[in-house]
Amino acid sequence: DADVTQTPRNRITKTGKRIMLECSQTKGHDRMYWYRQDPGLGLRLIYYSFDVKDINKGEISDGYSVSRQAQAKFSLSLESAIPNQTALYFCATSDSNRGHPGELFFGEGSRLTVL
Amino acid sequence: RKEVEQDPGPFNVPEGATVAFNCTYSNSASQSFFWYRQDCRKEPKLLMSVYSSGNEDGRFTAQLNRASQYISLLIRDSKLSDSATYLCVVNSGGGFKTIFGAGTRLFVKA
Repeated sequence: DADVTQTPRNRITKTGKRIMLECSQTKGHDRMYWYRQDPGLGLRLIYYSFDVKDINKGEISDGYSVSRQAQAKFSLSLESAIPNQTALYFCATSDSNRGHPGELFFGEGSRLTVL
Repeated sequence: RKEVEQDPGPFNVPEGATVAFNCTYSNSASQSFFWYRQDCRKEPKLLMSVYSSGNEDGRFTAQLNRASQYISLLIRDSKLSDSATYLCVVNSGGGFKTIFGAGTRLFVKA
């Protein structure tokens, strides 16, 4: 089983719909992140959380919101999806107490298509 | 200018070839450097960290030149299984200051 699990893995939805992507981890890491990946642009940070009470905007947070329900769970919401939010979304974790800053562990990705 | 720039490729090489990827970064305060590997439609996975002294892991060698703000990855004796996208990753302190390059695609052919 994957240490970082994302659901759903694939989702097709329509413009204006609310979508939630969920992430859970069994690695015991304190930090969690949501990235999106678009062809030619690399991974871009949407939101990050250093612990349950700490939520921060990343580079491209507009149109997204997050919730850190527990240390192991971090969900991403699109309140009203639009077509340019079609992308591959990755959840990632890191451990502030071990490893190098920037050493991230990724979930398998959630492919979202907004029609 | 992008903070982390890579040649997108693709690089098409025969099995057994040696191939080198380059990456430049713009933030001189960057502290940690990595190469990640990403297979098609899969998640990125850490391949190796990059140290100022250079480091090697089997067929893979990574080097860092802080003065030129340049990172490289050398793959020797390429295998079919090396076909993937290689992401250059730079961190300037804390996980949220991690910047990913767009990646370089490698195809190794028999």
